[in-house]
Amino acid sequence: EDKVVQSPLSLVVHEGDTVTLNCSYEVTNFRSLLWYKQEKKAPTFLFMLTSSGIEKKSGRLSSILDKKELFSILNITATQTGDSAVYLCAVGLDYKLSFGAGTTVTVRA
Amino acid sequence: GAVVSQHPSRVICKSGTSVKIECRSLDFQATTMFWYRQFPKQSLMLMATSNEGSKATYEQGVEKDKFLINHASLTLSTLTVTSAHPEDSSFYICSAGPGTGFYEQYFGPGTRLTVT
Repeated sequence: EDKVVQSPLSLVVHEGDTVTLNCSYEVTNFRSLLWYKQEKKAPTFLFMLTSSGIEKKSGRLSSILDKKELFSILNITATQTGDSAVYLCAVGLDYKLSFGAGTTVTVRA
Repeated sequence: GAVVSQHPSRVICKSGTSVKIECRSLDFQATTMFWYRQFPKQSLMLMATSNEGSKATYEQGVEKDKFLINHASLTLSTLTVTSAHPEDSSFYICSAGPGTGFYEQYFGPGTRLTVT
């Protein structure tokens, strides 16, 4: 059975802090790993990673994939209250995405 | 680019009635669209894969006669919840991706279904 495990389940930080979110996976037929941000509605796409060791960056967010150790991390630096959301990790399999349970990030002013 | 819309955003219906939800890819064609269901504080659960011009592929445990999927064109898929019951109340989300980036899925805004 395919597994995508995110940790921690939730965390609370103050503005300006840095957060690191983890996603580990045990799947067959790995194709890609994706990160999404979900606020009150549907998830919005952040990153798609297919190669190990290549960091992807977008503003204060960055992510990297380790295909040997089967995990990915998502970093958010200089957090702002607008970063408060559920961050979802998904693994692309043969024909579908398998999602983790998500990490709820709360950024306090 | 890569915008997916859903309609309606919110619907309330009585038990026993049917509800249709539309998912459209606005600026690209999608031979495949996906339908998910999300319960409060839980992750997305894939219900089915909608294939243009052919039958949908349902995940294990999802009743195909209850959740009818039609993918009539390259930009439109519909999900019909038939004979809805209160336990069908949920957040339904569709996704689609441009052909070359199959796994780069973009989500619609979701439909909140409440069955009374």
